[in-house]
Amino acid sequence: GAGVSQSPSNKVTEKGKDVELRCDPISGHTALYWYRQSLGQGLEFLIYFQGNSAPDKSGLPSDRFSAERTGGSVSTLTIQRTQQEDSAVYLCASSLAPGMNTEAFFGQGTRLTVV
Amino acid sequence: ELKVEQNPLFLSMQEGKNYTIYCNYSTTSDRLYWYRQDPGKSLESLFVLLSNGAVKQEGRLMASLDTKARLSTLHITAAVHDLSATYFCAVEGGSGNTGKLIFGQGTTLQVKP
Repeated sequence: GAGVSQSPSNKVTEKGKDVELRCDPISGHTALYWYRQSLGQGLEFLIYFQGNSAPDKSGLPSDRFSAERTGGSVSTLTIQRTQQEDSAVYLCASSLAPGMNTEAFFGQGTRLTVV
Repeated sequence: ELKVEQNPLFLSMQEGKNYTIYCNYSTTSDRLYWYRQDPGKSLESLFVLLSNGAVKQEGRLMASLDTKARLSTLHITAAVHDLSATYFCAVEGGSGNTGKLIFGQGTTLQVKP
């Protein structure tokens, strides 16, 4: 596609429910990243995919958070048993590949509100 | 652990004035990026700085990188209202050349007519 696409753009969920956030990266980009943006914490790295594998998951805040990527393309970030502190904007980014000296391009984000 | 700090965090300025935003980072890195974010929008790439002494300019914005000082600056010349936004610097961090970005806190720029 022309840019990084994320869905849904907004999600309101009840505390304790599971949610899935989707990211469709730019075609041909092998690197995919999830970040979280919240008022208190700023922009935080969550996880990095190279192809379908995730060599760096160091930013996932707890075992309630997981992500997968299939076909070297679409990625899904799943949050189980959501808590109010999970409320944030979840941003996905993709790039050609690390070390290619190009920037990461960001999607418009999914605003998650846990009530 | 890599830390990235921006200052100021908030900047209110008159149209036509010049100002500089500073981005300091704590460990060695040769790759630094500047992004712009408008309210409710995503991040838009502004500059990619890949070596010591790199300088890039686009319109009224100019970014530079000093890897020895671990400092990047974003200079605004003759500000206009359209430049009002939040500006983030980000440094590649972590081991293994993953492209993972560590962001500064962001500088919110408000340009008054």
